[in-house]
Amino acid sequence: GDSVTQMEGPVTLSEEAFLTINCTYTATGYPSLFWYVQYPGEGLQLLLKATKADDKGSNKGFEATYRKETTSFHLEKGSVQVSDSAVYFCALNPNTNAGKSTFGDGTTLTVKP
Amino acid sequence: ETGVTQTPRHLVMGMTNKKSLKCEQHLGHNAMYWYKQSAKKPLELMFVYSLEERVENNSVPSRFSPECPNSSHLFLHLHTLQPEDSALYLCASSQDFTSTDTQYFGPGTRLTVL
Repeated sequence: GDSVTQMEGPVTLSEEAFLTINCTYTATGYPSLFWYVQYPGEGLQLLLKATKADDKGSNKGFEATYRKETTSFHLEKGSVQVSDSAVYFCALNPNTNAGKSTFGDGTTLTVKP
Repeated sequence: ETGVTQTPRHLVMGMTNKKSLKCEQHLGHNAMYWYKQSAKKPLELMFVYSLEERVENNSVPSRFSPECPNSSHLFLHLHTLQPEDSALYLCASSQDFTSTDTQYFGPGTRLTVL
């Protein structure tokens, strides 16, 4: 079946540091790929997505590129802020439907001033 | 109200109680989902409804019973739960049931089973 593997956390960075959270996936065909973020006490919210190979999703300074050849969708940000502290989830929807969404385990990011 | 709302936000129940979780989406979406989020475990998809029909049921114990009376409302009826059912229960919705659709999540109900 489908699977998503995320870099294990927790990750602790200083403000303005560079962030990378690795995500690789296993799926048949061409899934859609997502990064969701969960702030304390809240549900998940979409951060960015890419629906076909070589697409780049971007939002709020975060970026991720859909790499079919390496089955990866790594999340990056050039300069993190304290407000970026949250749990980040990589997820995929199979190309048939969204009913079997698969999420990674989540990576907790803490940014210190 | 906007987005996806869930009530109650917190619930404590004994193993013999019966309670219900409610989810409402104000986005005009056609698909709704229940997820279970436990500490140190991946997000687990429990049920999926598309246009009020259940399309996915991921081997969830019968003590969890979903209900989708219309495309805006989703319930999760709970009875004779176990302590290991304590978790954050998240509701989500999406425009349709296609691969590219983003899911919009509610804030969750934190359930504690004593």
